[in-house]
Amino acid sequence: AQSVTQLGSHVSVSEGALVLLRCNYSSSVPPYLFWYVQYPNQGLQLLLKYTTGATLVKGINGFEAEFKKSETSFHLTKPSAHMSDAAEYFCAVSEEYGNKLVFGAGTILRVKS
Amino acid sequence: DTGVSQNPRHKITKRGQNVTFRCDPISEHNRLYWYRQTLGQGPEFLTYFQNEAQLEKSRLLSDRFSAERPKGSFSTLEIQRTEQGDSAMYLCASSFHYEQYFGPGTRLTVT
Repeated sequence: AQSVTQLGSHVSVSEGALVLLRCNYSSSVPPYLFWYVQYPNQGLQLLLKYTTGATLVKGINGFEAEFKKSETSFHLTKPSAHMSDAAEYFCAVSEEYGNKLVFGAGTILRVKS
Repeated sequence: DTGVSQNPRHKITKRGQNVTFRCDPISEHNRLYWYRQTLGQGPEFLTYFQNEAQLEKSRLLSDRFSAERPKGSFSTLEIQRTEQGDSAMYLCASSFHYEQYFGPGTRLTVT
């Protein structure tokens, strides 16, 4: 069965510092991987996705993530945090095209001024 | 493209009552998904449709829950005989390819 583990339910960084949010997954087949962001009282917004091809994927708002098969990881990074990045971030995996997503428990990112 | 819409945005009901939520997907999307999210957790899959066919249901979807997607357009999720444990955010998403686009959710509070 698929599962997703997000290390750290809360991450705090200073404005301008590197953001690193960790995601590890388990899957019996090559996965499709996603990062979503959720602002308070809003739905989930897709940040980026990995399906096939290049393992370093770029998304919106300066975020990127690298698929590392050997480590079963898909960590999310951003070189320089902005106050507007404060939100909850979810990593998700799907084993089939168009199939359900399995989400991690989420990481709340706090950005300090 | 107006995005995925959900109604109502908030619902407060008393235990034992029935509730129904509606989801309108992005118009050209053939897949529609329902998820449930409780505080401090990621969304959990409930069920999904391809066009009007319901293709998968989670074990979380007890017999008190039913979902429909008539004519492959909007979808409804009904919860009968609500329990306090049903209090959660109910999220709808739609897709045409890999990406699922989420609506704002319906927050259900069962008192």
